[in-house]
Amino acid sequence: DAGITQSPRHKVTETGTPVTLRCHQTENHRYMYWYRQDPGHGLRLIHYSYGVKDTDKGEVSDGYSVSRSKTEDFLLTLESATSSQTSVYFCATQGTGGFAGANVLTFGAGSRLTVL
Amino acid sequence: TQLLEQSPQFLSIQEGENLTVYCNSSSVFSSLQWYRQEPGEGPVLLVTVVTGGEVKKLKRLTFQFGDARKDSSLHITAAQPGDTGLYLCAGAPNYQLIWGAGTKLIIKP
Repeated sequence: DAGITQSPRHKVTETGTPVTLRCHQTENHRYMYWYRQDPGHGLRLIHYSYGVKDTDKGEVSDGYSVSRSKTEDFLLTLESATSSQTSVYFCATQGTGGFAGANVLTFGAGSRLTVL
Repeated sequence: TQLLEQSPQFLSIQEGENLTVYCNSSSVFSSLQWYRQEPGEGPVLLVTVVTGGEVKKLKRLTFQFGDARKDSSLHITAAQPGDTGLYLCAGAPNYQLIWGAGTKLIIKP
């Protein structure tokens, strides 16, 4: 099925371990985003990419890194997971226009991460 | 810090009732989007409003963008259980999209 696939969908890990979340898209969209969603905070941007190997930080980037070696894949890495990074992580894509508000974001189904 | 405040945070009503939820800010937005998110899924775009005073209708849902482009409302007529979900607004004051915390809506049959 075309669209956005996030993996894993659920992960439980321990403090201090590395974690990588993967986002795969079949839309050939240029822009890709990683958000985290926590109760009472809405969606907060972690990192985004505007092309292969072109990435930039969002508002909550500390403790996270990203990589985009192919148009279709955007990886989010937590080098050393902490309990404060327990959250639901969403990947989103956008075809054109970057953050131009009139353009649609398409979201994956999310990856629920629990750091014990 | 630019904020989008959504109210109420939580709303539980009976099927058939009408409701309005709000998205407010002190900032001016070039456009504003409304998304609905169901449990275990990502948000899905409902509508984008771009012109001050604009009203858009999507079946029983009516979206309005304030004249000053600082606020928006979503009105649902004759709510149905299928309308249950988290309603999020997102605005673009500049190049970066910011999000409200959402209104969790439950429609009881």
